Amino acid sequence: EVELVESGGGLVQPGGSLRLSCAASGFTFSSFGMNWVRQAPGKGLEWVSSISGTGISIFYADSVKGRFTISRDNAKNLLYFQMSSLRAEDTAVYYCARAGPGGSYWSWGQGTLVTVSS
Amino acid sequence: EMVMTQSPATLSVSPGERATLSCRASESVSSNLAWYQQKPGQAPRLLIHGASTRATGVPARFSGSGSGTEFTLTINSLQSEDFAVYYCQQYNKWPPGTFGQGTKVEIK
Repeated sequence: EVELVESGGGLVQPGGSLRLSCAASGFTFSSFGMNWVRQAPGKGLEWVSSISGTGISIFYADSVKGRFTISRDNAKNLLYFQMSSLRAEDTAVYYCARAGPGGSYWSWGQGTLVTVSS
Repeated sequence: EMVMTQSPATLSVSPGERATLSCRASESVSSNLAWYQQKPGQAPRLLIHGASTRATGVPARFSGSGSGTEFTLTINSLQSEDFAVYYCQQYNKWPPGTFGQGTKVEIK
């Protein structure tokens, strides 16, 4: 069974940094692209970043480009999201999601809450 | 920029009845469309991909249809566990995988 467990969220001041992690199990991690999707409180879903199985191809939403960095460690089955220069509008639950058919999101973690506030 | 528009924003349905949710794309996405279900406090769950293919373990009362710009998610004989928010997502032009704003299915 596919399992994704995020960690690393918390309260951070504007301009601060945070690193999220996503531990994957139940599938061959290196064979699948991985994604971060966020959801601001009471709002809808927003894709923010993706990384291919090899880690070679990486994509970011314009809203986070230049501030956030996605990476993965296939030996440890871990996905990372380094978030810097955080803004209030980055406040959201961040989900890691395994790629599905096409560009759909097959499985999701339970999410980790990032709150950017002074 | 691709825009996905879902309607209605809220749908009030009695248990046992049918719910019909719509999703419209601002340009053709072929059949590259997915539907997700999200219950309060939970992560989204993939229901449908390829516009009409149910994901593993999804009950047969959920069905998807459409292609191009117009899509429908139908939930037959609504069960109590089906009351949730539903999102459509296009992946024809990916990234980004653009989501609709969601339709809340509530108990009438």
